[in-house]
Amino acid sequence: DAGVTQSPTHLIKTRGQHVTLRCSPISGHKSVSWYQQVLGQGPQFIFQYYEKEERGRGNFPDRFSARQFPNYSSELNVNALLLGDSALYLCASSLGASGASDTQYFGPGTRLTVL
Amino acid sequence: RKEVEQDPGPFNVPEGATVAFNCTYSNSASQSFFWYRQDCRKEPKLLMSVYSSGNEDGRFTAQLNRASQYISLLIRDSKLSDSATYLCVVTQYSNASKIIFGSGTRLSIQP
Repeated sequence: DAGVTQSPTHLIKTRGQHVTLRCSPISGHKSVSWYQQVLGQGPQFIFQYYEKEERGRGNFPDRFSARQFPNYSSELNVNALLLGDSALYLCASSLGASGASDTQYFGPGTRLTVL
Repeated sequence: RKEVEQDPGPFNVPEGATVAFNCTYSNSASQSFFWYRQDCRKEPKLLMSVYSSGNEDGRFTAQLNRASQYISLLIRDSKLSDSATYLCVVTQYSNASKIIFGSGTRLSIQP
């Protein structure tokens, strides 16, 4: 069975540009969460979507947005990129969005470099 | 104060030793707890969920202490392959989901 997939694997952008990252969850999973991980830190929660609706949001500026599609795949969009947005962006899927069904399974991540 | 705190380590222990680390959390309404391991430049992988009654999976034992608001991970008979960063995760579901990772504890098993 395919795990969580993310694209692209690597991306280089310049300040001020916009980026779209994509994630496909494990088949049967209805929830997708996005995280930002900088070197030496744990993943920081950005968003969780369940059944195409936003269920949670971390402390990120409005430049960050996301959506979930009817097939449960998801996009993370970041506008007006800053140097500090350089990080590994991780997507995780789970069966549900709470309780026993909320175990997160991670994709390999997209490494974003902003120059 | 961070919502989830871990000792960053590194913990350098000899092969075969027992090692334990804790993770404290600040919100008493937290509902689900997990340990993940992350190898260098890889994604986090679930190690085990943590239950109030405690749970064991082979050489790994996890405990939750709700009164003192911490979770623990014990690794017995450590192997070289246990070298990794161990992340604790706390989730909250009041009116919105919140999933909080600790910064991780680095473990290095020495031959």
